[in-house]
Amino acid sequence: AQTVTQSQPEMSVQEAETVTLSCTYDTSESDYYLFWYKQPPSRQMILVIRQEAYKQQNATENRFSVNFQKAAKSFSLKISDSQLGDAAMYFCAYRSATWGSGDKLTFGTGTRLAVRP
Amino acid sequence: ETGVTQTPRHLVMGMTNKKSLKCEQHLGHNAMYWYKQSAKKPLELMFVYNFKEQTENNSVPSRFSPECPNSSHLFLHLHTLQPEDSALYLCASSQVQEEGYNSPLHFGNGTRLTVT
Repeated sequence: AQTVTQSQPEMSVQEAETVTLSCTYDTSESDYYLFWYKQPPSRQMILVIRQEAYKQQNATENRFSVNFQKAAKSFSLKISDSQLGDAAMYFCAYRSATWGSGDKLTFGTGTRLAVRP
Repeated sequence: ETGVTQTPRHLVMGMTNKKSLKCEQHLGHNAMYWYKQSAKKPLELMFVYNFKEQTENNSVPSRFSPECPNSSHLFLHLHTLQPEDSALYLCASSQVQEEGYNSPLHFGNGTRLTVT
């Protein structure tokens, strides 16, 4: 079974600065997807960024980028130019690419990010 | 209007009550999910409905009963719950392909359930 570990329960960043959230995972599969979701106080889980394991290039979405290290099974999220609206819980998630099991996400416990003005 | 709508937003119920959570998706997706979010624990997948048939029941107690009348609506019927069932219940949907990449999950705002 796959597991996802987020070792930082809480993080804090100064507005306009850069912060990196850590995520490691354990799997025996070679093909899979990784995701970062954001959960603001509204409680809705919002997809921030995704990475396909077969792609070596790190995914980027505006101020959000990942550092995907497949051999190390590491998938960190970097937020550049942090904004007050970035304050939220961030969840790392794994999904197998195997048909039939590909619907299910395995989540980490989350990292609460605070942004200081 | 968000793509996935959940009602009610908050629910308080006694252990002997019967209540239902409702989820509706407006995204044209063909799969819907129930997740349970408890404090300091990873989100737990409870049920998956793919093409209107229940394809996953993740060892959920029978006091939780899902219903999926069509691909746009999903219910979670609750009866004789326990205080430890208090949690945020999140509904999600996605488009599952027969081949290739499934779309990411789109979540609703959740129902905060308190069992007294």
